[in-house]
Amino acid sequence: GDSVTQTEGQVTVSESKSLIINCTYSATSIGYPNLFWYVRYPGEGLQLLLKVITAGQKGSSRGFEATYNKEATSFHLQKASVQESDSAVYYCALSDASSGSWQLIFGSGTQLTVMP
Amino acid sequence: EAAVTQSPRNKVTVTGGNVTLSCRQTNSHNYMYWYRQDTGHGLRLIHYSYGAGNLQIGDVPDGYKATRTTQEDFFLLLELASPSQTSLYFCASSDLRGGSDYTFGSGTRLLVI
Repeated sequence: GDSVTQTEGQVTVSESKSLIINCTYSATSIGYPNLFWYVRYPGEGLQLLLKVITAGQKGSSRGFEATYNKEATSFHLQKASVQESDSAVYYCALSDASSGSWQLIFGSGTQLTVMP
Repeated sequence: EAAVTQSPRNKVTVTGGNVTLSCRQTNSHNYMYWYRQDTGHGLRLIHYSYGAGNLQIGDVPDGYKATRTTQEDFFLLLELASPSQTSLYFCASSDLRGGSDYTFGSGTRLLVI
């Protein structure tokens, strides 16, 4: 079945430094899955950060970017300069029409802590 | 403002106890979902529904029942709670499956002792 892998459970970065959170996926669809990054701030529910549905394209939001790399089956999240307010849990996710259900599949999440 | 509200925020129960988690959405969405989140795992789908009276089984349904009483309300029932069900539970709603319009609640933290 489909899966999403985030290798880092926790990442700590100093404010103003760059960030990359790795995400790779495996999808059984012969087409291309839709790829997402969700963010969960403390005490809140998950909210969509960005979405890309076309291979090769880049999504961006709030200074974060992620490029849909079909060859590498990756969708890494990057930010050039993080802020303390970016501290949150970040989830990579995909939805795939292969089963006809378009179920949303999540990675295990990466807890980002930004140090002042 | 459209929202998904979960209650309670925190719950402690004993093994074998009976627990009901509540979720209400004001988004007029068709789909509602219950997920559990455990360390080292992504959100895993327990049950979902595409309308009042409908129930679909997710990926980890064992030990859980659910009921969609209205378009707004979706309940998750643990009739014989076990420590393995200690988790963070999220409810969500969406108009389409797999789209980008999922709205999540802020979660219910359940501890089964």
